[in-house]
Amino acid sequence: DTGVSQNPRHKITKRGQNVTFRCDPISEHNRLYWYRQTLGQGPEFLTYFQNEAQLEKSRLLSDRFSAERPKGSFSTLEIQRTEQGDSAMYLCASSPTDSPLHFGNGTRLTVT
Amino acid sequence: GQQLNQSPQSMFIQEGEDVSMNCTSSSIFNTWLWYKQEPGEGPVLLIALYKAGELTSNGRLTAQFGITRKDSFLNISASIPSDVGIYFCAERRGGSEKLVFGKGTKLTVNP
Repeated sequence: DTGVSQNPRHKITKRGQNVTFRCDPISEHNRLYWYRQTLGQGPEFLTYFQNEAQLEKSRLLSDRFSAERPKGSFSTLEIQRTEQGDSAMYLCASSPTDSPLHFGNGTRLTVT
Repeated sequence: GQQLNQSPQSMFIQEGEDVSMNCTSSSIFNTWLWYKQEPGEGPVLLIALYKAGELTSNGRLTAQFGITRKDSFLNISASIPSDVGIYFCAERRGGSEKLVFGKGTKLTVNP
């Protein structure tokens, strides 16, 4: 399967801990996106990369959140000092330029 | 926050029935996308629309990009149990890579 891969699938953490998620996009896709989805809502845009450059960030992305794509391939999303309100599904997507997004199956974060 | 109005919020239908759902916005968009999401999975692209008035089919699914560029509908004909899921519309405004999603239409198909 050459789809978008996200790890871990599930993460349970205690409030105040740091967590990091990984996304491996489809190999020929130069664009990579992070979205957050809470129950009963559609995905909400967090940030996107073109190759290794982070080109757009949402106001939802507080300074506790940081995303990287160091070599223009896989990406990591780190949340520092997690809060209960961070509990959500974190979705990664990738695409070629000017094409629809292909999503991974997400990392479900639960902050206790 | 969300800027798309998607309706209905949920639908309960019998297998074999046709389904119609739509999205509207107060703004003009360049692209309409329809995705389906099943429990525990990410959204899967169904249909992409790029031109006002465009009508596109994908098997039993048909979607149209409204002529005013402010709305879109998705029809599913002869529904089957595996059509169950949440259907999202999404739009991309010119000048941004950000996709904005509706809140989804949850479809339940009774065999």
